[in-house]
Amino acid sequence: GESVGLHLPTLSVQEGDNSIINCAYSNSASDYFIWYKQESGKGPQFIIDIRSNMDKRQGQRVTVLLNKTVKHLSLQIAATQPGDSAVYFCAEIPRGTALIFGKGTTLSVSS
Amino acid sequence: DTGVSQDPRHKITKRGQNVTFRCDPISEHNRLYWYRQTLGQGPEFLTYFQNEAQLEKSRLLSDRFSAERPKGSFSTLEIQRTEQGDSAMYLCASSLGVNNEQFFGPGTRLTVL
Repeated sequence: GESVGLHLPTLSVQEGDNSIINCAYSNSASDYFIWYKQESGKGPQFIIDIRSNMDKRQGQRVTVLLNKTVKHLSLQIAATQPGDSAVYFCAEIPRGTALIFGKGTTLSVSS
Repeated sequence: DTGVSQDPRHKITKRGQNVTFRCDPISEHNRLYWYRQTLGQGPEFLTYFQNEAQLEKSRLLSDRFSAERPKGSFSTLEIQRTEQGDSAMYLCASSLGVNNEQFFGPGTRLTVL
């Protein structure tokens, strides 16, 4: 699978590979985190969330990992499909206010 | 479809004109948020409401911007005397309470000529 240790603006993978998208968040007081997927011309779509009292959460084909020590969040997508091609954003909520979005990563999946 | 709708989907206007956008959140959601997104960037927070009360405004929300949610249901965002720098996608989101998933609408793309 393809993985990156630091945030990269783009990630290209082959269909069927596992993808890992990384994100650094800024506020140590943040207690809720969300990954969003955004396709061209559409609003962000919820993928998975995690609260600060957890370090891992799994969904369907996706896993989010949270490392509060280094303020790092990652999204793992298993068996990546062409339909997963989109821009992925992590977002944090400090103390119940509005979302703060990280830099997006454009995932391109080729068949 | 998340259940959050926005109208219009696209708006082209001339510099100096006023524009108004509407957002209809998911009906039981008490929180409503406005964000702005420029090309290649993540959404940036503008303002949010809890029911009809506007609780927070970002520094991005200049005096030319005003938002309302008069009955705690739909919301409007008005931009007066538009400038070319206002060209962006304006996104609305709603949530049930604090620290819960925010559902986004499809956005209104504003182009100021």
